Amino acid sequence: GAVVSQHPSRVICKSGTSVKIECRSLDFQATTMFWYRQFPKQSLMLMATSNEGSKATYEQGVEKDKFLINHASLTLSTLTVTSAHPEDSSFYICSAGDISGNTIYFGEGSWLTVV
Amino acid sequence: GQQLNQSPQSMFIQEGEDVSMNCTSSSIFNTWLWYKQDPGEGPVLLIALYKAGELTSNGRLTAQFGITRKDSFLNISASIPSDVGIYFCAGHPSSGGSNYKLTFGKGTLLTVNP
Repeated sequence: GAVVSQHPSRVICKSGTSVKIECRSLDFQATTMFWYRQFPKQSLMLMATSNEGSKATYEQGVEKDKFLINHASLTLSTLTVTSAHPEDSSFYICSAGDISGNTIYFGEGSWLTVV
Repeated sequence: GQQLNQSPQSMFIQEGEDVSMNCTSSSIFNTWLWYKQDPGEGPVLLIALYKAGELTSNGRLTAQFGITRKDSFLNISASIPSDVGIYFCAGHPSSGGSNYKLTFGKGTLLTVNP
């Protein structure tokens, strides 16, 4: 079946540095991918919609200059957390839709810890 | 905006029992998806529903797309310990194309006592 893969699964970075998380659709093409953030025991919060070949669409309250999204190909979207602070520590999840249908698959998630 | 009300928020059951959870929306959805999330992992798709009235099974799981298109339920029969996790419903208004944002319920935390 369709698979969406995220890398890295866990990352620790120092405050003030930037960290990049990759989201790949492994066996299908995705013109649109979605980035979510999830706090413990809460539902997924949509951060932005990543559009292949164009600018991402950010949800209200999400800083586009802090969370840079690049969707350079039909199988890869990246989320870069710039100038990370401890409050950016969270579980980040991407999803991608199979363009042949309505089904949306999620990556395994990436734990970010900013120290 | 669109909202999904998922209930119950949590359930504590004995192994072997059946489980039922549901989601209702304030507006019509044309696709309903049910996911399970284990701690520290991404959600895994369980069942996808595309047609009002549709009843779909996946092993011990059964989900239905309400005929009003404003609700869906998920049943788990004969629960086992590995059913533990958070179950999310999700919907989007489209019946074609997968580039629409999902609206999520807040999740149902299921605990199964052996």
